[in-house]
Amino acid sequence: EAGVAQSPRYKIIEKRQSVAFWCNPISGHATLYWYQQILGQGPKLLIQFQNNGVVDDSQLPKDRFSAERLKGVDSTLKIQPAKLEDSAVYLCASSLDSIPRSSGANVLTFGAGSRLTVL
Amino acid sequence: RKEVEQDPGPFNVPEGATVAFNCTYSNSASQSFFWYRQDCRKEPKLLMSVYSSGNEDGRFTAQLNRASQYISLLIRDSKLSDSATYLCVVPLGGSGYSTLTFGKGTMLLVSP
Repeated sequence: EAGVAQSPRYKIIEKRQSVAFWCNPISGHATLYWYQQILGQGPKLLIQFQNNGVVDDSQLPKDRFSAERLKGVDSTLKIQPAKLEDSAVYLCASSLDSIPRSSGANVLTFGAGSRLTVL
Repeated sequence: RKEVEQDPGPFNVPEGATVAFNCTYSNSASQSFFWYRQDCRKEPKLLMSVYSSGNEDGRFTAQLNRASQYISLLIRDSKLSDSATYLCVVPLGGSGYSTLTFGKGTMLLVSP
């Protein structure tokens, strides 16, 4: 089974520039997540999609961050304009669905992440 | 109380030692929990799931205490390769759609 694909792996930009990250989840996974992980901290959920609908975007800084999953498969996360504090690893993950049950349907599988450095 | 709280460590232990981590959570409606392992500069990977009172997999045992709202991870006979950050994950949102919230992680360093 192919894993979660993310690109680019690394990106260096200057503050106020824009950047976009792409994610292709595991085939058949209805739920897609974008997490932000700052060095030394745990992943923080930015946005969660169920198919092409948003389940939770309460921690997404909507003045600068946007995300879409138009066809319910792959997704793009955009930052515009970037700030220094956006330097982090952006992790995409997917799961079969997001309903917690003993079948493990809501177990996350992560991609390798996109490391962003804002100068 | 923070939603998911972990002791950041680091826990420094010698090979062969037994070590335990705790994770407390604030949402008493949570039904399932996870421990993920994250190696340096890598993505988190699932270590164990905890759906009832506990789970055991080889040297690793996870236990759930619903009354006190914490889960624990016990590692027996520590190996050098166990050195990593261990992330506690709690679904928040009840029995419907849930969002998986991560703790900040506990770092384990196993030395020869």
